[in-house]
Amino acid sequence: DAKTTQPNSMESNEEEPVHLPCNHSTISGTDYIHWYRQLPSQGPEYVIHGLTSNVNNRMASLAIAEDRKSSTLILHRATLRDAAVYYCILRDPNSGYALNFGKGTSLLVTP
Amino acid sequence: EAQVTQNPRYLITVTGKKLTVTCSQNMNHEYMSWYRQDPGLGLRQIYYSMNVEVTDKGDVPEGYKVSRKEKRNFPLILESPSPNQTSLYFCASSFHAGQFYNEQFFGPGTRLTVL
Repeated sequence: DAKTTQPNSMESNEEEPVHLPCNHSTISGTDYIHWYRQLPSQGPEYVIHGLTSNVNNRMASLAIAEDRKSSTLILHRATLRDAAVYYCILRDPNSGYALNFGKGTSLLVTP
Repeated sequence: EAQVTQNPRYLITVTGKKLTVTCSQNMNHEYMSWYRQDPGLGLRQIYYSMNVEVTDKGDVPEGYKVSRKEKRNFPLILESPSPNQTSLYFCASSFHAGQFYNEQFFGPGTRLTVL
C-alpha cells in the first residue's frame, strides 16, 4: 500500500491560513487523496478529496503537486473549531475498502 | 438529518458477558464498517459489509462478529469480551464501497471498557 507521511503536529493562530502537508511519494496513478479530520471526542469527518487537480469545497482546499507525490490541505482561516487531528489517506481500488488513517497531524489553533 | 448513530455511547462490562453495539444509518448506504481506535495504533478496521447479507473481515476481526440483515443496521457483537477489547469503536458508512472517491460518514463512537 502506498503510504503517507505527515508532521506529527502543527500550530496556527486563529483566523490565519493553515497549510497541512502530506507526502506520498509512492502514490499510484489510481490512488485518490482523501483528507479526514477528527475533532476531540468525535468520530472522523470527511474534509476533501482529489485525484489530480486542485479541489475546493466549503471546508478547505486541496492542492496536489503536479507529480502527485505530495499534497497540501489548506484551511483558509483557521478557527478554534478546526483544532483536530488531520489525516491524509490514499484510497487505492486494489487495496481494500478500509481507510488507513495513520497517525495524522494534530493541529493546535491558538486565539 | 443524515447521520450514523451508535448505541450505547459508553459501556463498562465484565469479561465474558456478551454485548452488542448497535449502528444505524439513515442515508441508504450500501457500505458499512466498524473500526476500533487505540492510542498509538490509530484506527483499524474490524469488519465491513458491502451490502445486506454480505460481510467480510477487516484487519482485526478476532473476537468480534457482525451481521447485516437490514441495509440500515450493522451491529457489532462481542460474544465473550476480554480486556484487550477495551477501546473506542466507530461505525462508518458510505454510499458505494467500490467508488473510491466516496466519503465515509462516521458515528460518534462507543467507548467500551471490559474489566
